[in-house]
Amino acid sequence: RKEVEQDPGPFNVPEGATVAFNCTYSNSASQSFFWYRQDCRKEPKLLMSVYSSGNEDGRFTAQLNRASQYISLLIRDSKLSDSATYLCVVNKNTGGFKTIFGAGTRLFVKA
Amino acid sequence: EAGVVQSPRYKIIEKKQPVAFWCNPISGHNTLYWYRQNLGQGPELLIRYENEEAVDDSQLPKDRFSAERLKGVDSTLKIQPAELGDSAVYLCASSSRGQGASPPGELFFGEGSRLTVL
Repeated sequence: RKEVEQDPGPFNVPEGATVAFNCTYSNSASQSFFWYRQDCRKEPKLLMSVYSSGNEDGRFTAQLNRASQYISLLIRDSKLSDSATYLCVVNKNTGGFKTIFGAGTRLFVKA
Repeated sequence: EAGVVQSPRYKIIEKKQPVAFWCNPISGHNTLYWYRQNLGQGPELLIRYENEEAVDDSQLPKDRFSAERLKGVDSTLKIQPAELGDSAVYLCASSSRGQGASPPGELFFGEGSRLTVL
């Protein structure tokens, strides 16, 4: 089993739709969590950090459930420009920090 | 401020040939990472440096891969000899945190070096 698992998708949604991505992690030593966005043939870039209390940045909302070892990303009012791959990222501390990326979930937003 | 710079952007070689990738991190970022990304997968860590010290190279295939960061600034990743399965994008990243007991914050990536082994 992979340490960070995501539904690979692709998710195909119309503009204006709400879409949610899930991510599970297997190591309880995981301490900090992020969502990165990667456009086609580009490098990953930080979208947002994920906090236990949940956090929101405009149309994007991230949630963390430590008990279930589960992270989510909600995108409201999808735009064409949201089409990308969304990578779930976990930092775990096992005698030194390791940053682990999920395989990513692909999103296509259509007009 | 300049971002993470990598070169070359693209490299095509025949199997068994050597190849090297170069990375210059963001100025002041002491932690440097080399990741490999295969098509449809997330980046996988090859090696992490804190300054000039390789603190995590557990995923680096040491029979053919080597890396160095001699002065704690720029870094080189080498593959010798390359195999067909090494075709991937090699991403360099840096962060201003992630040293010792400090958890890594945001990773800043370069544009990557796309390797094709024929």
